Amino acid sequence: DGGITQSPKYLFRKEGQNVTLSCEQNLNHDAMYWYRQDPGQGLRLIYYSQIVNDFQKGDIAEGYSVSREKKESFPLTVTSAQKNPTAFYLCASSIDGASGLSYNEQFFGPGTRLTVL
Amino acid sequence: AQTVTQSQPEMSVQEAETVTLSCTYDTSESNYYLFWYKQPPSRQMILVIRQEAYKQQNATENRFSVNFQKAAKSFSLKISDSQLGDTAMYFCAFMKPYGQNFVFGPGTRLSVLP
Repeated sequence: DGGITQSPKYLFRKEGQNVTLSCEQNLNHDAMYWYRQDPGQGLRLIYYSQIVNDFQKGDIAEGYSVSREKKESFPLTVTSAQKNPTAFYLCASSIDGASGLSYNEQFFGPGTRLTVL
Repeated sequence: AQTVTQSQPEMSVQEAETVTLSCTYDTSESNYYLFWYKQPPSRQMILVIRQEAYKQQNATENRFSVNFQKAAKSFSLKISDSQLGDTAMYFCAFMKPYGQNFVFGPGTRLSVLP
């Protein structure tokens, strides 16, 4: 079955540590996205990538980094510079990030809950 | 920049009844796309319905339909014959043509009561 997987489901981090959240998709989608979800604030875009080896900052990129070495993978690193990283993180993908077509809906993974101890 | 507002943080409805969730947005674009996503307690985001702004006809998907008022920049979701499985957070989202990302509203928590 095609879909998006995220791991781990739950992640605990000590202050000052970097952690990496995994996101893999087998939908053959070009575009991938990372969102952060906090209570009462909906989803906010961290980073997105429309093509391999290219990515762009979203609205809240500070303290995060990404890479896109393969079409299928878009890992997110939460660095120690992120002052309040405790949140639910969602990865998404879409067929084409720039076509503007209506079928360009985003498909979401199951999410990772990150907690800073 | 586009903004999306959902003015109802929480709503409840009796099973089998109808409920309408509100969404308004702000944009200077003339063509764009609107979506409703559902996030049940499992937290998996699921697309419920989509609407292209250039289409005047309101989108419908089984028990879900929208009331799209372009001039008023309003995009409400109507759920008919509500079921217990409809209990979830509902997010309204905006996407402009050739846009790289969605803009999401803050969500409405819907509880369907038995």
